[in-house]
Amino acid sequence: KQEVTQIPAALSVPEGENLVLNCSFTDSAIYNLQWFRQDPGKGLTSLLLIQSSQREQTSGRLNASLDKSSGRSTLYIAASQPGDSATYLCAASMTTDSWGKLQFGAGTQVVVTP
Amino acid sequence: DAGVIQSPRHEVTEMGQEVTLRCKPISGHDYLFWYRQTMMRGLELLIYFNNNVPIDDSGMPEDRFSAKMPNASFSTLKIQPSEPRDSAVYFCASSSLTLEQYFGPGTRLTVT
Repeated sequence: KQEVTQIPAALSVPEGENLVLNCSFTDSAIYNLQWFRQDPGKGLTSLLLIQSSQREQTSGRLNASLDKSSGRSTLYIAASQPGDSATYLCAASMTTDSWGKLQFGAGTQVVVTP
Repeated sequence: DAGVIQSPRHEVTEMGQEVTLRCKPISGHDYLFWYRQTMMRGLELLIYFNNNVPIDDSGMPEDRFSAKMPNASFSTLKIQPSEPRDSAVYFCASSSLTLEQYFGPGTRLTVT
């Protein structure tokens, strides 16, 4: 069974510093990997989706990479701002599983201090 | 687009009562997902539909849970009878063929 792990569980950085969030998965037969943001008491907001054939995706200050051979994805957030404070979750869908079924990590809670 | 709409946003009920959660997906999306989020277990997929047909319900915890999608713009998740351990936030999400899932704001369920 696919296991998705996010370490660390929590992270605090000063404003302006670059954020690096890690996601690891045990089975490299992934279909795609998606990064989400969740604010307290709110739903999940999709940030980036990387297809298995892609190595990275970029949107504004966000860049996500995917290395299937090592079982890792990394989300980079450049020049962090207090508004980036949230919990970030990664989720993988497997080619060996029901299409569309996502396996979520537990998330990394980020605090950006002014 | 208004995004995925869920109702109610909060539900408090007594053990043994029936609970119905509702979801309206984004127009044009043909996949709909129901998730449950708790501190202990994180986010769990309960069931998902494609073109109103249930595809995978392996995450539905037990027979007390049922989900329907009578048309492309409406789905329900029903718990009967409810138990305190069902207390959680229930999310609905939808996607198109791009597979990128868009989540609703969730329904916070408390069973006393």
